[in-house]
Amino acid sequence: GAVVSQHPSRVICKSGTSVKIECRSLDFQATTMFWYRQFPKKSLMLMATSNEGSKATYEQGVEKDKFLINHASLTLSTLTVTSAHPEDSSFYICSATPASGPYNEQFFGPGTRLTVL
Amino acid sequence: QKEVEQNSGPLSVPEGAIASLNCTYSDRVSQSFFWYRQYSGKSPELIMSIYSNGDKEDGRFTAQLNKASQYVSLLIRDSQPSDSATYLCAVNNFGNEKLTFGTGTRLTIIP
Repeated sequence: GAVVSQHPSRVICKSGTSVKIECRSLDFQATTMFWYRQFPKKSLMLMATSNEGSKATYEQGVEKDKFLINHASLTLSTLTVTSAHPEDSSFYICSATPASGPYNEQFFGPGTRLTVL
Repeated sequence: QKEVEQNSGPLSVPEGAIASLNCTYSDRVSQSFFWYRQYSGKSPELIMSIYSNGDKEDGRFTAQLNKASQYVSLLIRDSQPSDSATYLCAVNNFGNEKLTFGTGTRLTIIP
């Protein structure tokens, strides 16, 4: 149980284009989903927290107009990187917290590796 | 002071030995504690969670929590080369959905 999927696993795009990443909880409903990014050999950096049906809460320094988050249902959240540039190249990982769990444990998706040329 | 601290390592342990990973946290109201394993180039995988003082065992893994001393540890018995990874300690505070992560300890099991 507690499986989270992400799609695509890898994407290469040209500078200036937008990229959408999907995050799905496959066998549970998620009250909250989180989006992280991670640069090579660096720590996870939380970008935003999203709850179904409400606006995402972004961490300080994260541009909400550049990283659009939509949490359409209890099993789906999407991250859209708008007008991507090479500095946006990174490993993007989502996680989800089961609605039924009391302890806020997070289960991570496999990640999406974004390369912007 | 960092909220969650881990020794960055690398920690090298011979195959078959016990690997001991430690984590301290600063917020006394922390209530949930997690250990994640992250292989290079992969996302974190939850391997242990602990909420009460004492030990919790799952296969070769034992998590230990001491709230009075504000530390949580992970023991890996009979270490295998496949245990080589970065281990992240994460803490959840009461009333907060977010996890606070340590920077991770890189563990290498030497065959």
